[in-house]
Amino acid sequence: EPEVTQTPSHQVTQMGQEVILRCVPISNHLYFYWYRQILGQKVEFLVSFYNNEISEKSEIFDDQFSVERPDGSNFTLKIRSTKLEDSAMYFCASSENRNQPQHFGDGTRLSIL
Amino acid sequence: AQTVTQSQPEMSVQEAETVTLSCTYDTSENNYYLFWYKQPPSRQMILVIRQEAYKQQNATENRFSVNFQKAAKSFSLKISDSQLGDTAMYFCAFMTLYNQGGKLIFGQGTELSVKP
Repeated sequence: EPEVTQTPSHQVTQMGQEVILRCVPISNHLYFYWYRQILGQKVEFLVSFYNNEISEKSEIFDDQFSVERPDGSNFTLKIRSTKLEDSAMYFCASSENRNQPQHFGDGTRLSIL
Repeated sequence: AQTVTQSQPEMSVQEAETVTLSCTYDTSENNYYLFWYKQPPSRQMILVIRQEAYKQQNATENRFSVNFQKAAKSFSLKISDSQLGDTAMYFCAFMTLYNQGGKLIFGQGTELSVKP
């Protein structure tokens, strides 16, 4: 069965540095998402992406964050000038269309030191 | 704003028995989707079951079934004949039908342990 894949599985970065989290959505899916889960807290929506533009973003997704689909397969989340509170598990998801179930990747654990 | 609440942080059940996980939500919308996702220790979240709010019939998927009470805004998950592989974190999630971005709103999760 096709899967959403995320790399790396664990990223350790110094505070203030930029980090890029990578995702390969399922190939025939058109909607892409990023969520994050701070340890011990809820999974929170960050952003959704369709037709090469952001469909919706949460209040968490401020100017520090950006998303991109640089080619036909990858979907990236860039976090500029990382802060300690950015430490979390980041999940990528994709779906065939907006109302179809979202398929999640394994997540990237981001640790900011 | 929509919210999802799971009031049971942890639950345990003996293998082969039945367990019910609770979920309540708050919304002013009339049309929406509800989901249960399972996150085993391997971390990947897997869709367990989906319910469309406009359908009165409760969704079932093999050993998994839901009790959807729209008026009470309740959406519980029943797992029958529990298996060791059901051990996982279970998340209830909500999505409005008219949301442009397809945002899922999650509950806090319930950690289920199935004991041999």
